[in-house]
Amino acid sequence: EPEVTQTPSHQVTQMGQEVILRCVPISNHLYFYWYRQILGQKVEFLVSFYNNEISEKSEIFDDQFSVERPDGSNFTLKIRSTKLEDSAMYFCASSDLAGGRLGELFFGEGSRLTVL
Amino acid sequence: GQSLEQPSEVTAVEGAIVQINCTYQTSGFYGLSWYQQHDGGAPTFLSYNALDGLEETGRFSSFLSRSDSYGYLLLQELQMKDSASYFCAVQDDKIIFGKGTRLHILP
Repeated sequence: EPEVTQTPSHQVTQMGQEVILRCVPISNHLYFYWYRQILGQKVEFLVSFYNNEISEKSEIFDDQFSVERPDGSNFTLKIRSTKLEDSAMYFCASSDLAGGRLGELFFGEGSRLTVL
Repeated sequence: GQSLEQPSEVTAVEGAIVQINCTYQTSGFYGLSWYQQHDGGAPTFLSYNALDGLEETGRFSSFLSRSDSYGYLLLQELQMKDSASYFCAVQDDKIIFGKGTRLHILP
């Protein structure tokens, strides 16, 4: 069964360092998302991406964050200068609104980011 | 803005039925989804309601009332493996999740 894959599964970094989280969405999906979840809290929307551009972003997604689809398969989230409060699980998700049910996102297993 | 309210915790007995409610306030609305998340895992899609009424998928059902900005997830014949967090999520131009309801199941 097709799945969303994310790397790395866990990354530890020093405050102020740049981090890139990678995702391979399901191949025929058109919409891509990043969410984050601080331990024990809710899943928070960061950004959605369609047709090679950001379609929506939250207030969390400030200038320190960027997304890119560098080729036909990868979807990346970059944090330029990490802060302690960026420590969280970052989930990538994809959907195919054309063929699937609205509201159905397929999530990867997440990348746990720990900022020291 | 958008807000979703759901209980933080619910406890039920194995084999019983439990209902998890969700109320929402959004500027736009296409539909209400439900996701399950086990500890340490990714959210997985359970159901979606765009129209009023009940949607049934096996032991799980979901209900929506658009006029009341209210929905619920109904889990029947509870099993221990159903112990997880359950999130409602509203869709307008993006999908926003509620804070989640942790379901505890007693043997």
